Amino acid sequence: EVQLVESGGGLVQPGGSLRLSCAASGFTFSNYWMGWVRQAPGKGLEWVANIKEDGTEKNYVDSVKGRFTISRDNAKKSLYLQMNSLRAEDTAVYYCARDLGWYVLDIWGQGTMVTVSS
Amino acid sequence: QSALTQPPSASGSPGQSVTISCTGTSSDVGAYNYVSWYQQHPGKAPKLMIYGVSKRPSGVPDRFSGSKSGNTASLTVSGLQAEDEADYYCNSFAGSNNVVFGGGTKLTVL
Repeated sequence: EVQLVESGGGLVQPGGSLRLSCAASGFTFSNYWMGWVRQAPGKGLEWVANIKEDGTEKNYVDSVKGRFTISRDNAKKSLYLQMNSLRAEDTAVYYCARDLGWYVLDIWGQGTMVTVSS
Repeated sequence: QSALTQPPSASGSPGQSVTISCTGTSSDVGAYNYVSWYQQHPGKAPKLMIYGVSKRPSGVPDRFSGSKSGNTASLTVSGLQAEDEADYYCNSFAGSNNVVFGGGTKLTVL
């Protein structure tokens, strides 16, 4: 079964850091772009970042540039999102997703909640 | 990059057809045939329903169809069923490694 499972969410103070992980199974992870999409409580979807199959190309939404870093470990079939200098507006459910190209997100994880609050 | 414009809500009775619009600009929807639609039930992850404007992934009922005219893409759900009640989001490639999502439409089956 093709599956993505996120972990690492939680409550963090403003200015703090958190590292999200996404474990993939059921497909050849190293053959696909991967990405992160977030959804603030009661709000719509917002694309956050994506990474090329071999990790050599990374893209970010402007609001997280310089604060978030996307990475992957193809041997471990895992995707990561290192989030630093967190702000209240980063509070959201974070989903990892498989990207078929052109931002067609065909497989999604169940999401992990990140709450930034003092 | 501004978000794509979707109506906040749409509704229809079982068996009817409903169309949800997604309006962008000549830099995103109008420029590329890379519009996708996602269905999201409350508390669940989004699910890909349409990609490449009008292509259906395996397993998606043919009651769901997509189209595009100019800067506006549309999702049509025919033969509405109770389980179609959900939020629907569009997204579009916007060039230069950019993507934009719509604000979402809550579909209610009356």
